[in-house]
Amino acid sequence: DQQVKQNSPSLSVQEGRISILNCDYTNSMFDYFLWYKKYPAEGPTFLISISSIKDKNEDGRFTVFLNKSAKHLSLHIVPSQPGDSAVYFCAASVGYGNKLVFGAGTILRVKS
Amino acid sequence: EPEVTQTPSHQVTQMGQEVILRCVPISNHLYFYWYRQILGQKVEFLVSFYNNEISEKSEIFDDQFSVERPDGSNFTLKIRSTKLEDSAMYFCASMVEGPYEQYFGPGTRLTVT
Repeated sequence: DQQVKQNSPSLSVQEGRISILNCDYTNSMFDYFLWYKKYPAEGPTFLISISSIKDKNEDGRFTVFLNKSAKHLSLHIVPSQPGDSAVYFCAASVGYGNKLVFGAGTILRVKS
Repeated sequence: EPEVTQTPSHQVTQMGQEVILRCVPISNHLYFYWYRQILGQKVEFLVSFYNNEISEKSEIFDDQFSVERPDGSNFTLKIRSTKLEDSAMYFCASMVEGPYEQYFGPGTRLTVT
């Protein structure tokens, strides 16, 4: 099941710079997209989301962009902080029950 | 801030035994979910539950699995006869309405020996 893909397994960024995490999807029925942050042995923590009818949503240091024609979304974190170091998952919602389909995750390391 | 809670945090069981994983969703949420993550793999959907019935289930969610909301607060996942391949982190999630953000619990690590 490769409906949601995060092609970069890891990303390393200097503190204060921008982190850009990318996600591609194949299912045009996805109607809601979310980003989660996860630490080992913990549950995913919701960060930010975007409806399929929008192209941008901003919340503090986090901005999500959606390009429906390219079936691509990205998460921008600016400025990046060492506490942002974690695994970031892209997820998409579909179906009557609004189940989430997850990507494989990207490990973000923010160096101080 | 309201949060989803799960018990136990770690469950060790022998193959063939029954286990029940428990979750307390956020109180005003209407949709409830179970997901699991096998070590090194993606988080994968198991089942969604709304209005006291299953709204969707994955291929993984076979007859060995069942869910229940026995009262107004708890949401349980039962595995009747565990297999080695059921070893995973099991996450409960809840959502106020759909589509919207789902909030996850801390997970239960299930180890089947």
